[in-house]
Amino acid sequence: GAVVSQHPSWVICKSGTSVKIECRSLDFQATTMFWYRQFPKQSLMLMATSNEGSKATYEQGVEKDKFLINHASLTLSTLTVTSAHPEDSSFYICSARPTYNEQFFGPGTRLTVL
Amino acid sequence: DAKTTQPTSMDCAEGRAANLPCNHSTISGNEYVYWYRQIHSQGPQYIIHGLKNNETNEMASLIITEDRKSSTLILPHATLRDTAVYYCIVRVADQAGTALIFGKGTTLSVSS
Repeated sequence: GAVVSQHPSWVICKSGTSVKIECRSLDFQATTMFWYRQFPKQSLMLMATSNEGSKATYEQGVEKDKFLINHASLTLSTLTVTSAHPEDSSFYICSARPTYNEQFFGPGTRLTVL
Repeated sequence: DAKTTQPTSMDCAEGRAANLPCNHSTISGNEYVYWYRQIHSQGPQYIIHGLKNNETNEMASLIITEDRKSSTLILPHATLRDTAVYYCIVRVADQAGTALIFGKGTTLSVSS
């Protein structure tokens, strides 16, 4: 299947700093990528849909000024958590669809805010 | 997208078949059944999908009832590595710009 990578795999930061997470489709182009967040023992929650060359679409309750998404190319989307706080600590997962049928996921990024 | 209902957890002995049920009684005619799994601290992994015919690949088999109101994912010979949360998702396949929405899934525990 198609491969989606994320970097970094884990990050620890101080409260108030910003953290950037990269999501890349390695062997296909993706005009649309998706960002999810997962808290411990919970399911994945869709945060936003990232569209290449245009603004991201955020789900209800997700602060667009706090979670900045940039989809500058067909293989790269970035999620920046601005002014991170301990409650932003979570597992962030991106995904992309190379075809209409299948959606592939990255390995996830574990964010810990101290 | 139609709602799905899955058992919260299931146990399976290593080497035996794991049969994971999913109810989707409100499924529409153009909606597919997808199965994904998530091993602890990893991203979800695609397993299989189908519309109305039974499907099989190297990972699993998908059995869909004739009325399409329920399905069963079958892992023919479960191993310890199959311990994961399994998600059954129903959606229209041609929604290229629409994300998968995850429910709570079934936690499958495979033991030796």
